[in-house]
Amino acid sequence: DVKVTQSSRYLVKRTGEKVFLECVQDMDHENMFWYRQDPGLGLRLIYFSYDVKMKEKGDIPEGYSVSREKKERFSLILESASTNQTSMYLCASSLLGIRGQGGVGEAFFGQGTRLTVV
Amino acid sequence: AQSVSQHNHHVILSEAASLELGCNYSYGGTVNLFWYVQYPGQHLQLLLKYFSGDPLVKGIKGFEAEFIKSKFSFNLRKPSVQWSDTAEYFCAAFNTGGFKTIFGAGTRLFVKA
Repeated sequence: DVKVTQSSRYLVKRTGEKVFLECVQDMDHENMFWYRQDPGLGLRLIYFSYDVKMKEKGDIPEGYSVSREKKERFSLILESASTNQTSMYLCASSLLGIRGQGGVGEAFFGQGTRLTVV
Repeated sequence: AQSVSQHNHHVILSEAASLELGCNYSYGGTVNLFWYVQYPGQHLQLLLKYFSGDPLVKGIKGFEAEFIKSKFSFNLRKPSVQWSDTAEYFCAAFNTGGFKTIFGAGTRLFVKA
């Protein structure tokens, strides 16, 4: 079974703090993703990475950065946390694959980190 | 822009009622399609997926979905829901020419016992 592990289930941080959210996957997946989940808005992609040291902006990258120094680990960084970043953060991984290969795109999710910025 | 639309944000059903959740996507090319479910307090997990072949796909727990290419739709169905189906359901699409999976806004299903 694929396992995606997020370092914290709950975090409470103060406005202006630098926040690190860590994610590790154990299935040698090329792709890793960070989403935030808010009621009525579904999952919105923040950043994704398709290889070590590679990163791409998603739909809502402002206020966030990421780091992928090793294939299995993908970190999300809030440079200066703000109250509007209070949310559930989900990490996911998937195979990269080649075009048309079955299984491409199926994502495996971590348990999520509920971040509250006060 | 690529997008996935789910028709209902909230659905309330009684046990044994039939369920259909609508999903439309806007990709023009080849897509892989998914339904994920999130039970209260649990992580997102795959319910079913479509890559190619028979457009009617069956998933876990009696769920099925039908891919209709001409309508860009991938609706989720279950003939008879149970209280334990109370969850949030997300439709998702992956453009096989790209890297990203796009999710719909989600549908919260509440099943009355």
